[in-house]
Amino acid sequence: DVKVTQSSRYLVKRTGEKVFLECVQDMDHENMFWYRQDPGLGLRLIYFSYDVKMKEKGDIPEGYSVSREKKERFSLILESASTNQTSMYLCASVYSDLMNTEAFFGQGTRLTVV
Amino acid sequence: QQPVQSPQAVILREGEDAVINCSSSKALYSVHWYRQKHGEAPVFLMILLKGGEQKGHEKISASFNEKKQQSSLYLTASQLSYSGTYFCGSSRGSGGSNYKLTFGKGTLLTVNP
Repeated sequence: DVKVTQSSRYLVKRTGEKVFLECVQDMDHENMFWYRQDPGLGLRLIYFSYDVKMKEKGDIPEGYSVSREKKERFSLILESASTNQTSMYLCASVYSDLMNTEAFFGQGTRLTVV
Repeated sequence: QQPVQSPQAVILREGEDAVINCSSSKALYSVHWYRQKHGEAPVFLMILLKGGEQKGHEKISASFNEKKQQSSLYLTASQLSYSGTYFCGSSRGSGGSNYKLTFGKGTLLTVNP
């Protein structure tokens, strides 16, 4: 089975702190994604990476950056956490070929910024 | 481009049918359907790639219209286990950055006994 592991289920950070959310996948997928999930807003794409060191902004990249130094690990960084970044963060590792694309999600990190 | 889902919420009794729609003003390369149960991660249901395609089985199936601008998810004779939030997603193509996968806002489906 594909496994996508996020480093923390729950996290509480103070305003202004630098926050690292880690995501690791074990299936050698090239594509990895970070989403933010808020009630009524669905899954909003923050950043994605389609290869090691290759990244592209999603729909809401402001206040976030990412790092992908190794294929299996994709990190989301909140440079200076703010209360409006309190949310559920979901990482996805995506299998793709010509006929199919399937995302495998981690269990999520519920981040609270106080 | 983010697809638009409707309705936002549906409440059913066990055994009733439901349809969830996903649309876009431009043709989509593909449509993906996911279900997320409360407190869990979203899980893949199916992907449709071709205009006019229909996929799935008797109970949960989906269609993609010829112009590739609308997809519908059909839930037949609903069961309690169908409850959850359904998301449609789309990518802009295949290869490299074309795999950018964006989702609609979701449809909350509640099935009551």
